[in-house]
Amino acid sequence: ETGVTQTPRHLVMGMTNKKSLKCEQHLGHNAMYWYKQSAKKPLELMFVYSLEERVENNSVPSRFSPECPNSSHLFLHLHTLQPEDSALYLCASSQARGHEKLFFGSGTQLSVL
Amino acid sequence: GENVEQHPSTLSVQEGDSAVIKCTYSDSASNYFPWYKQELGKRPQLIIDIRSNVGEKKDQRIAVTLNKTAKHFSLHITETQPEDSAVYFCAASTTGGFKTIFGAGTRLFVKA
Repeated sequence: ETGVTQTPRHLVMGMTNKKSLKCEQHLGHNAMYWYKQSAKKPLELMFVYSLEERVENNSVPSRFSPECPNSSHLFLHLHTLQPEDSALYLCASSQARGHEKLFFGSGTQLSVL
Repeated sequence: GENVEQHPSTLSVQEGDSAVIKCTYSDSASNYFPWYKQELGKRPQLIIDIRSNVGEKKDQRIAVTLNKTAKHFSLHITETQPEDSAVYFCAASTTGGFKTIFGAGTRLFVKA
């Protein structure tokens, strides 16, 4: 499959669970991003990795922990989430130089009970 | 902080009419302005973009205009079709940076 692939598509978890979101890009890009999309709010940038180094961390609570083992894979580890963390989590990738055209995955719809 | 304001939040037009969505940005260093379309249940996809050295760009039925002095940019869709119904996001970023600031989105309904 080409493009940006995210798994799982849907996730329901309790506040005490630990889960991970996975993103894989097949575009040869060097930068990967996590965005949070909540209803009626702008897309919120959470984390950016460029060449596997974290270059942006937008004051995200520590219950969200990103991991970028290589330029093609990005994870978001979740633990002790709150109900207000329920949202669509989108992964994206781009060329490393210049945060320009973003290619998004289909997202993981997360519900925290 | 940096922000992008987008209006209107909802827009309903008759098929064949034009639709205009407007955005303003606060960071004067912004020099790249993409527009993304997100259909229901799907991923956002880039539909058109414009850089600060250009005032207008057109691609078939869609066009973007940029006024750097006023920090305004707009999306124009002509001869709208039902498949244009979606949420449209404007955004602003700076070349070499890694932060794209998005507007809150405009939900466009095109009535057949």
